[in-house]
Amino acid sequence: NAGVTQTPKFRILKIGQSMTLQCAQDMNHNYMYWYRQDPGMGLKLIYYSVGAGITDKGEVPNGYNVSRSTTEDFPLRLELAAPSQTSVYFCASGEARLARELFFGEGSRLTVL
Amino acid sequence: QKEVEQNSGPLSVPEGAIASLNCTYSDRGSQSFFWYRQYSGKSPELIMFIYSNGDKEDGRFTAQLNKASQYVSLLIRDSQPSDSATYLCAVNMNQAGTALIFGKGTTLSVSS
Repeated sequence: NAGVTQTPKFRILKIGQSMTLQCAQDMNHNYMYWYRQDPGMGLKLIYYSVGAGITDKGEVPNGYNVSRSTTEDFPLRLELAAPSQTSVYFCASGEARLARELFFGEGSRLTVL
Repeated sequence: QKEVEQNSGPLSVPEGAIASLNCTYSDRGSQSFFWYRQYSGKSPELIMFIYSNGDKEDGRFTAQLNKASQYVSLLIRDSQPSDSATYLCAVNMNQAGTALIFGKGTTLSVSS
């Protein structure tokens, strides 16, 4: 059972480049999330989805886009990368009824130079 | 915007002692509260959740909730070096419980 899988694990981008962080879960969870974690800081919610075709903004959505075409996948798109987007990105999923327990991927470390 | 506040620490305790971690939240309407543990370089994992005022115990861990004071705490009894990690407090972002917002975390160091 793979759980939540994120790719890539590491990536270096130049300012202005774009990329997509991939996230897939095999637990049939309806709820999926993207968080970012800056050094010494907690998790900040970027976007979340309560089901296929439904997405909503979190605390820090600017500079990012998401889509949810299937229950399994929830990619995060970075457009025009900026140094402020240097961070560790965590994808998570949870059961439908309540965000009681989130299952996190291993994280994707992104550096923008 | 909802806020969750934690003392970043580090909190240092000797092995066998009780570690007390605290968290305050801004939204009086918050209903659900969670403690996650994050080892360095790893992803967070759930330790406990609590919904009702009072104490909830699970092994060496006790979560305490006081909604009137908007205060949540986590007690770790008989602390072990393996408990050394960052502890993140989280609160439901909305009444529907669709997402969690997290505090900055408290780093705990248990010395042997």
